[in-house]
Amino acid sequence: SQQGEEDPQALSIQEGENATMNCSYKTSINNLQWYRQNSGRGLVHLILIRSNEREKHSGRLRVTLDTSKKSSSLLITASRAADTASYFCATVISSGSARQLTFGSGTQLTVLP
Amino acid sequence: ETGVTQSPTHLIKTRGQQVTLRCSSQSGHNTVSWYQQALGQGPQFIFQYYREEENGRGNFPPRFSGLQFPNYSSELNVNALELDDSALYLCASSPRGPSRAGDTQYFGPGTRLTVL
Repeated sequence: SQQGEEDPQALSIQEGENATMNCSYKTSINNLQWYRQNSGRGLVHLILIRSNEREKHSGRLRVTLDTSKKSSSLLITASRAADTASYFCATVISSGSARQLTFGSGTQLTVLP
Repeated sequence: ETGVTQSPTHLIKTRGQQVTLRCSSQSGHNTVSWYQQALGQGPQFIFQYYREEENGRGNFPPRFSGLQFPNYSSELNVNALELDDSALYLCASSPRGPSRAGDTQYFGPGTRLTVL
């Protein structure tokens, strides 16, 4: 079962606009991560936010975390065509002695030139 | 790009066959995880290997098995392939074992398996 769920499932914007994606999760977390996946290829880690942080920035990315609502958002500012990809939030849960990433279904972002 | 490599890139098998997928970890990483990603879905955790031992498993049957070698490279084996095994198989490596420091994982490009 999925731990996180992204919203919306698909998002289409014009180049230069901002894109906001949301993620909700079910259980307590130590941290939440966002990954990007281009066209069915491997996932690329974008940013990690810890449970005691409320906001974090990395370049054009801004992530917020609200642990009381069990939700996070990813904002991409001044989007570019190269930002077209699927975006996933992931949380870590323990499975045996492993720490596994649990992903939502993702948001497919399309940035139109 | 990460330093994680996977082979082959694509693979076509028929139902009932067996398949072996390979993964080479990023240098310095001693933990490898495998994920299955069906079309339009997020990756699902299969299992994780640390120091050549399986130390955690997701909801996958025993016909999914793996190995990790002393150089930390890894294999995923799937026996008695079923049509629903068609998916992108991703491996990911992380440093410093199954600790919070290893929470960020570095993914390979994946192997696309098609079962006919």
